[in-house]
Amino acid sequence: SQKIEQNSEALNIQEGKTATLTCNYTNYSPAYLQWYRQDPGRGPVFLLLIRENEKEKRKERLKVTFDTTLKQSLFHITASQPADSATYLCASEYGQNFVFGPGTRLSVLP
Amino acid sequence: SAVISQKPSRDICQRGTSLTIQCQVDSQVTMMFWYRQQPGQSLTLIATANQGSEATYESGFVIDKFPISRPNLTFSTLTVSNMSPEDSSIYLCSVEFFGQAIGGTQYFGPGTRLTVL
Repeated sequence: SQKIEQNSEALNIQEGKTATLTCNYTNYSPAYLQWYRQDPGRGPVFLLLIRENEKEKRKERLKVTFDTTLKQSLFHITASQPADSATYLCASEYGQNFVFGPGTRLSVLP
Repeated sequence: SAVISQKPSRDICQRGTSLTIQCQVDSQVTMMFWYRQQPGQSLTLIATANQGSEATYESGFVIDKFPISRPNLTFSTLTVSNMSPEDSSIYLCSVEFFGQAIGGTQYFGPGTRLTVL
């Protein structure tokens, strides 16, 4: 069965550093991956989409990579700030549906 | 994007009762979905709400327990029937818009936090 995994349940980093979150998928080949941010008590908010033929996508301080050989996407936040603290979810299509990873809870410490 | 609202935002209900959650979008959308997010867990798709026909349920979810309506392109309801404490969760609706290319991005409502006693 398909599976999306995110490497860490929680990640703590110091303000100003680059946060790197990992999303791995197994047993299928998604045409794209998406990353969402979810704050406590809120619905997820879409951040970035990267297609299988794109190696890298950027948006302000965010960067996403997609390595189909490793079956992995990396999500980077550069110059991290305490306001970046949230849970980050990766998601992909699976057939007609969307599936989400379990999320990584990022804490940026001042 | 669009403004997606859900009612109620939270509720505390007694075992055995039912609760209907509403999802309203301020523009027409292609697809509407209902998700459940249990404490500390990721989102699980319950069903796709189809306009004018029966919803499409995922494995483990049935219409008798989670009846869904979608009378038009901007509104849907999810009912959690005969509730038990195991139904305590956040319920979220999400939408996709007409004309989206591959990788239809989903936009989420704020969620409804349900507690069943």
